[in-house]
Amino acid sequence: DAMVIQNPRYQVTQFGKPVTLSCSQTLNHNVMYWYQQKSSQAPKLLFHYYDKDFNNEADTPDNFQSRRPNTSFCFLDIRSPGLGDAAMYLCATSRSGMSALLPINFGPGTRLTVT
Amino acid sequence: AQSVAQPEDQVNVAEGNPLTVKCTYSVSGNPYLFWYVQYPNRGLQFLLKYITGDNLVKGSYGFEAEFNKSQTSFHLKKPSALVSDSALYFCAVRDRDTGGFKTIFGAGTRLFVKA
Repeated sequence: DAMVIQNPRYQVTQFGKPVTLSCSQTLNHNVMYWYQQKSSQAPKLLFHYYDKDFNNEADTPDNFQSRRPNTSFCFLDIRSPGLGDAAMYLCATSRSGMSALLPINFGPGTRLTVT
Repeated sequence: AQSVAQPEDQVNVAEGNPLTVKCTYSVSGNPYLFWYVQYPNRGLQFLLKYITGDNLVKGSYGFEAEFNKSQTSFHLKKPSALVSDSALYFCAVRDRDTGGFKTIFGAGTRLFVKA
């Protein structure tokens, strides 16, 4: 089945130690998103890739970076995690153009703990 | 700028009773509207969407929502609630006239259905 996969599901890192979260998709969607969700709050968009074009949200901290080496994979890098970065990180995909009619598809999320 | 408001943090309803989860939105153009449900430690699951046409849209698990342009609302409804409907519900909007595909989420409403 076509889907969005996130690894790992649970990640523990130390304060200040860089961490990378992974997302892959078999949907062949050209748009990929990273959302941050804290304790039952609304998912907050960090950035998205439209094809290879990276689009950062204005209030996303510089500590957060992303890479998309190909259509299927997208990574979230947190350069120096702080305690406030503990959250669920959700990857999502969609298609642009007329297919913007379609809802975005979420992965199961990676829960990040910072110790 | 687009925004979504869910005025209730929590909705409590008895099993078998009808439920309503409220959502209002603001966009500069015409909206695409979505409802998602989230179970604990899971990603968001798509429930239903309004794109155009009939103001009453039907979705998964017996849920429906009514688009009201004059009130800029898109309330989620179900005629008879189940205990298994207890979850976190998010309303989301996308502004189609800007060609946008960025989905903005409301703060979420936690639904408790008591047996």
